[in-house]
Amino acid sequence: GENVEQHPSTLSVQEGDSAVIKCTYSDSASNYFPWYKQELGKRPQLIIDIRSNVGEKKDQRIAVTLNKTAKHFSLHITETQPEDSAVYFCAASNNDMRFGAGTRLTVKP
Amino acid sequence: DTAVSQTPKYLVTQMGNDKSIKCEQNLGHDTMYWYKQDSKKFLKIMFSYNNKELIINETVPNRFSPKSPDKAHLNLHINSLELGDSAVYFCASSPGLRREQYFGPGTRLTVT
Repeated sequence: GENVEQHPSTLSVQEGDSAVIKCTYSDSASNYFPWYKQELGKRPQLIIDIRSNVGEKKDQRIAVTLNKTAKHFSLHITETQPEDSAVYFCAASNNDMRFGAGTRLTVKP
Repeated sequence: DTAVSQTPKYLVTQMGNDKSIKCEQNLGHDTMYWYKQDSKKFLKIMFSYNNKELIINETVPNRFSPKSPDKAHLNLHINSLELGDSAVYFCASSPGLRREQYFGPGTRLTVT
């Protein structure tokens, strides 16, 4: 089955800086890679996703890149704001969705 | 107009009891899931139903049994609750496999 590893487990940045979270996956058949944001006490919410036929996708301050050959994908957040503070999960999906262990991002004002 | 709803939001019960958590989605999705999130925030899939058929049954104890009376509902029944069952349980739905998932608000289960 799929195995997803996510790094780092915690990340602290200054407001305005960029943040990068990286994930690797094991199943080469996986073709859907979403990212979820979970604020304290709330549900995970989809923030961006990418499919295997695309190498990069951007939505305002958030971008995701995918390297299928190396089986890794990354989340990039630019111009971070305090409200970006949350736990971020990557996931990889073939027929079932497997989540990474999460990254706790703290943006210091 | 809540998309994915769960009841109850909080559940405190004693070891050995049997309890159920209900989930409903009004998005018309074909696929529904149950996840367990432990104290370390790790999200682990437990079950997945596609068009009312179980398609994933992870290595969870058989004390846990999902029941889907129709496409819009996926309930989770837990027998003989144990301390280690304490966690937040999330229901989710998606238009199909390999698609975006929409999570419910979660049910915080505490077993004492």
